Amino acid sequence: GAGVSQSPSNKVTEKGKDVELRCDPISGHTALYWYRQSLGQGLEFLIYFQGNSAPDKSGLPSDRFSAERTGGSVSTLTIQRTQQEDSAVYLCASGKAVNTEAFFGQGTRLTVV
Amino acid sequence: QKEVEQNSGPLSVPEGAIASLNCTYSDRVSQSFFWYRQYSGKSPELIMSIYSNGDKEDGRFTAQLNKASQYVSLLIRDSQPSDSATYLCAVKRWGTSYGKLTFGQGTILTVHP
Repeated sequence: GAGVSQSPSNKVTEKGKDVELRCDPISGHTALYWYRQSLGQGLEFLIYFQGNSAPDKSGLPSDRFSAERTGGSVSTLTIQRTQQEDSAVYLCASGKAVNTEAFFGQGTRLTVV
Repeated sequence: QKEVEQNSGPLSVPEGAIASLNCTYSDRVSQSFFWYRQYSGKSPELIMSIYSNGDKEDGRFTAQLNKASQYVSLLIRDSQPSDSATYLCAVKRWGTSYGKLTFGQGTILTVHP
């Protein structure tokens, strides 16, 4: 597709379970960003990738959160032992280069019950 | 001090008026500036990017950048009810976190008929 694709669109999980969120960036985009947005709040930076490496992981809230990117394309955000406070919309964005615009996917709404 | 601050809202303007949205940033070495629009329940959509001092116009939108004052603004002329949304200012800075895209908290704009 032409845009950033995230899957699943919605995920409901039980507290304590692990979840994986996937992001397919726009083809050829080397920069990839993950953000989290809680209800009625702003965008919270989590991590960004340049190619397969992550120069800035400073936004990951705890060691339960990890992310990887393979082949300079697809990225996976993993949350282990989910907690209710992890409930939010997780947004992925990609850009042609780190100094250019970034375009967002539709997000994954995560609900931890 | 927050890295990116936007004028407090919500902002309400009548249809046909000019809406003025403001943003200041703290990191003087920031180089790239963006405005996103986010409708309720949707992901952010890029509407303007600006990289050098001065004005940049695109249709009804004008972005203004003043790096000396660390200030960026967005003007929406002939505001329409469909412009009602949250507007997010975003800044990219150079250095060790090169490429990190930092967002302000957003300004809610309502255009009433």
